[in-house]
Amino acid sequence: AQKVTQAQTEISVVEKEDVTLDCVYETRDTTYYLFWYKQPPSGELVFLIRRNSFDEQNEISGRYSWNFQKSTSSFNFTITASQVVDSAVYFCALSELNTGNQFYFGTGTSLTVIP
Amino acid sequence: GAVVSQHPSWVICKSGTSVKIECRSLDFQATTMFWYRQFPKQSLMLMATSNEGSKATYEQGVEKDKFLINHASLTLSTLTVTSAHPEDSSFYICSAQDRGKGETQYFGPGTRLLVL
Repeated sequence: AQKVTQAQTEISVVEKEDVTLDCVYETRDTTYYLFWYKQPPSGELVFLIRRNSFDEQNEISGRYSWNFQKSTSSFNFTITASQVVDSAVYFCALSELNTGNQFYFGTGTSLTVIP
Repeated sequence: GAVVSQHPSWVICKSGTSVKIECRSLDFQATTMFWYRQFPKQSLMLMATSNEGSKATYEQGVEKDKFLINHASLTLSTLTVTSAHPEDSSFYICSAQDRGKGETQYFGPGTRLLVL
């Protein structure tokens, strides 16, 4: 079973629009971590955020914000006022304490921001 | 901080040759390093996990003799693709983790391997 589901395979938005990337996870652990990474065309994965299971506080960093809801097992990522440089593949990942902190990646969402 | 380098970034080789890829954590000690493989338009597939000074743990379906991993120090891990064949052509990515500072994995820029 897929532990991390990113249902949106591809999204296209026009520059300056807001966009939300969905991530739903599945785990039985009480201690786990959630991550978002950005993979631009160059290929390198860029770390964006880490959240632990005990911290449901939403976070904002510039134009990026994250909504963590344990009740729905979701960790969604919103980009406000999108820019062309935001075009990339975004991966959501889960790490469980009881499995040696191995990462389970979602299938990724390819975001294209059209100028 | 938390920079991971990978070398080479690109390699083209003939079928049957072996290729070594280096992964280095530049500004932290990596207690654990991971090797991934990524096919075009797909997610990352974990190949193996290596802890410094011990043998790597390979994922099911990954040939240990084909993909040799050495994690000789806290800042260096190497992946050697032995007797490479065209089907080994892929994008290989390493990541490093300092378990003492959390579970975040920091990724290298990746190595594109093309076997002719």
